Amino acid sequence: QVQLRESGPGLVKPSETLSLTCTVSGDSTSGYYWNWIRQPPGKGLEWIGYVNNLGSTNYNPSLKSRVTISIDTSKNHFSLELSSVTAADTAVYYCARRIPASAGGIFDIWGHGTMVTVSS
Amino acid sequence: DIVMTQSPDSLAVSLGERATINCKSSQSILYSSNNKNYLTWYQHKPGQPPKVLIYWATTRGSGVPDRFSGSGSGTDFTLTISSLQAEDVAVYYCHQYYGTTWTFGQGTKVEIK
Repeated sequence: QVQLRESGPGLVKPSETLSLTCTVSGDSTSGYYWNWIRQPPGKGLEWIGYVNNLGSTNYNPSLKSRVTISIDTSKNHFSLELSSVTAADTAVYYCARRIPASAGGIFDIWGHGTMVTVSS
Repeated sequence: DIVMTQSPDSLAVSLGERATINCKSSQSILYSSNNKNYLTWYQHKPGQPPKVLIYWATTRGSGVPDRFSGSGSGTDFTLTISSLQAEDVAVYYCHQYYGTTWTFGQGTKVEIK
């Protein structure tokens, strides 16, 4: 059974870098897109970006200048870095696996989410 | 970017009654090479990650009750809950992955009247 688990600091200071890791258990990272998605309090879901097992990435243009998503296949985890954070980056951050579009393109496996608050 | 607009923002439906949520994309998300609409519906309950209900606009996800159905093509899509149950109280999102930038609708909150 594939499981994803987010880890990282729950509190980040303004202007600093938010760093989260998603550990994949029960399967390898091959053949999928590994995503970060967030939900600010009281708001909807926002796709942040993805990395595949080859290290290719695609980011939401609204965050592209501040986002880096990377993968370590040897450790079966992938990571999110979001720089120069402000209070607007306060959100629940989810990692999620997406299957290829040819098979439905769904986010089929999600982590439980981790709350990150940006505050001094 | 493709903008996804849902309506209504919220609705209250009596138990056993039908709930209908609409989703409109700013451009067609029908992929011509395979005739599939690159649209997914998710159900999101508080404290849980979102769950897939419908993909390719009309295909029910694994284990999803048949009271959930999806319809539409091109730019206009609908999620229907044929007989609302108490456990269906949630926020519902449509999501497109046609372009290189993937986007969600703003969400529709479904409550019991």
